[in-house]
Amino acid sequence: DAKTTQPPSMDCAEGRAANLPCNHSTISGNEYVYWYRQIHSQGPQYIIHGLKNNETNEMASLIITEDRKSSTLILPHATLRDTAVYYCIVSSSNSGYALNFGKGTSLLVTP
Amino acid sequence: DAGVIQSPRHEVTEMGQEVTLRCKPISGHDYLFWYRQTMMRGLELLIYFNNNVPIDDSGMPEDRFSAKMPNASFSTLKIQPSEPRDSAVYFCASSFGGVFYEQYFGPGTRLTVT
Repeated sequence: DAKTTQPPSMDCAEGRAANLPCNHSTISGNEYVYWYRQIHSQGPQYIIHGLKNNETNEMASLIITEDRKSSTLILPHATLRDTAVYYCIVSSSNSGYALNFGKGTSLLVTP
Repeated sequence: DAGVIQSPRHEVTEMGQEVTLRCKPISGHDYLFWYRQTMMRGLELLIYFNNNVPIDDSGMPEDRFSAKMPNASFSTLKIQPSEPRDSAVYFCASSFGGVFYEQYFGPGTRLTVT
């Protein structure tokens, strides 16, 4: 699997957009980008995924650069409940069903 | 649906004792995953099942760990004998078919081995 690099921590003011970057410069053509988050003391929660096109759902938007070497998860209007660790994962069916969660980015949303 | 159910939520045991963690996946899901999370190593996949059959157990740390899935609605992770370094939060997750990446996690079992 391609390795990912995320900043260890970020802050965001409540109501503002939170933009969480992820670098995956060694991503291969058949690998998807997945985002999960883990709120304190809970299990991880799937957010969104994409291959090359930008994606949006009710939780977030995922912007993938044209060369696919990096991506950004956008929470358009962050709330205090979005405080969590956010994991960027790159994987494909070639790696079976293993998801390597890495260290993630700890996002703190402040009032 | 109640989501993935794990029991117990907390377990404190002494070194050398047998520990059994339990998981009930979401009904209709055919993949089940066991993960372990520690501060040092983060979230690690231990083993996963497809249609009750173990597919990949390469993440199981050693022979003291074993996992079973006797039917589609129940799985166990057993540690015998337990050691202090097994202290961690153990998560069970399930997913459906080709949507393997959308895994639904349970609340976890916090295991403390003294």
